[in-house]
Amino acid sequence: LAKTTQPISMDSYEGQEVNITCSHNNIATNDYITWYQQFPSQGPRFIIQGYKTKVTNEVASLFIPADRKSSTLSLPRVSLSDTAVYYCLVGLGMDSSYKLIFGSGTRLLVRP
Amino acid sequence: DTGVSQNPRHKITKRGQNVTFRCDPISEHNRLYWYRQTLGQGPEFLTYFQNEAQLEKSRLLSDRFSAERPKGSFSTLEIQRTEQGDSAMYLCASSLGGAGRGYTFGSGTRLTVV
Repeated sequence: LAKTTQPISMDSYEGQEVNITCSHNNIATNDYITWYQQFPSQGPRFIIQGYKTKVTNEVASLFIPADRKSSTLSLPRVSLSDTAVYYCLVGLGMDSSYKLIFGSGTRLLVRP
Repeated sequence: DTGVSQNPRHKITKRGQNVTFRCDPISEHNRLYWYRQTLGQGPEFLTYFQNEAQLEKSRLLSDRFSAERPKGSFSTLEIQRTEQGDSAMYLCASSLGGAGRGYTFGSGTRLTVV
């Protein structure tokens, strides 16, 4: 499974757009990119998954350049409740994998 | 369906005691996973079940740890002769098929060994 590198922490203010970039230089052809969100005292929660280009859902957007060696999670107009740890995971897609490999994640703090 | 349920939410035990945690997965999910998370780190994979069969165990799961999933429904994780290094959040998750968007975590059991 490809190793990922992401910032340890980020600060933002309410209403701003937040972009968290993850590096995965050794991503394999079959690998998907998945982001999870974790609040204190809760388990991680799936946010978004993509393979290439751009994916958008009601929570976030995921931008993946053509070489797929990095990806950017974009959170539009963050609120205080978006304060959490965000994990970037790289591995096989929805139906092929069973094990998730987490790094240390990015701690996002949203200030008023 | 209320999601993945874990009990207890918190457990404080003395070193050397045995503890058991329970996980009730989403009812239609055939796969169940246990992870451990220490402060400031991401969750680490411990083991997983497909139905009642335990298909993989991490090297993190020492001989003092045992997990079961009788009848392919709920699961228990037992730690024998607890050590202070066992203090962590123990997370359970379930999925129907692969580990993509259908992977749902519970809120965890926080174990403190004193």
